[in-house]
Amino acid sequence: GAVVSQHPSWVICKSGTSVKIECRSLDFQATTMFWYRQFPKQSLMLMATSNEGSKATYEQGVEKDKFLINHASLTLSTLTVTSAHPEDSSFYICSARRREQPQHFGDGTRLSIL
Amino acid sequence: GENVEQHPSTLSVQEGDSAVIKCTYSDSASNYFPWYKQELGKRPQLIIDIRSNVGEKKDQRIAVTLNKTAKHFSLHITETQPEDSAVYFCAAIDTGTASKLTFGTGTRLQVTL
Repeated sequence: GAVVSQHPSWVICKSGTSVKIECRSLDFQATTMFWYRQFPKQSLMLMATSNEGSKATYEQGVEKDKFLINHASLTLSTLTVTSAHPEDSSFYICSARRREQPQHFGDGTRLSIL
Repeated sequence: GENVEQHPSTLSVQEGDSAVIKCTYSDSASNYFPWYKQELGKRPQLIIDIRSNVGEKKDQRIAVTLNKTAKHFSLHITETQPEDSAVYFCAAIDTGTASKLTFGTGTRLQVTL
């Protein structure tokens, strides 16, 4: 089956630090990757959609200069949270899919900013 | 855009009973409806999905039904077990024009002994 790997699984860092999260599709080429944020006891909130080789499409209210997304290949997308602050603490999850196929999620990254 | 509503938000059933979670969608063009199960602190996992050309799909204890006319779809879990306890999300998408899933708000299912 389709496997999506996400690293790191847990990050604790000081306020002002930039944090990079990687999302890889291990056994398929992902035409599209998605980045979500999930607060406790809430649904998945889509942050941005990323197609390989093109700029990410951000959802309304998501700051593209704060959440930098790079999708350099069909198997790798990265999310960089720049100058993170405590309010950025959340569970970040990526997902990937091939055209016309279901989305498969990574294990998520729990980000804690002190 | 698409809007998906999900009910109930919490559901508690006794082991062995059935559980039903319902979702409605607004975009009549939506044609793919997956269901995800998310355990605490873990990834959402696809458990079953249905396309608009099918009215019902079953996989062992899990079934999904779709009513295109009424624009609603439901997840049915029979003979529930404690390991079914999790948060379940429905989603909808028009695969012809949209690239992103629209998720429901989730249902926290608790199966008690």
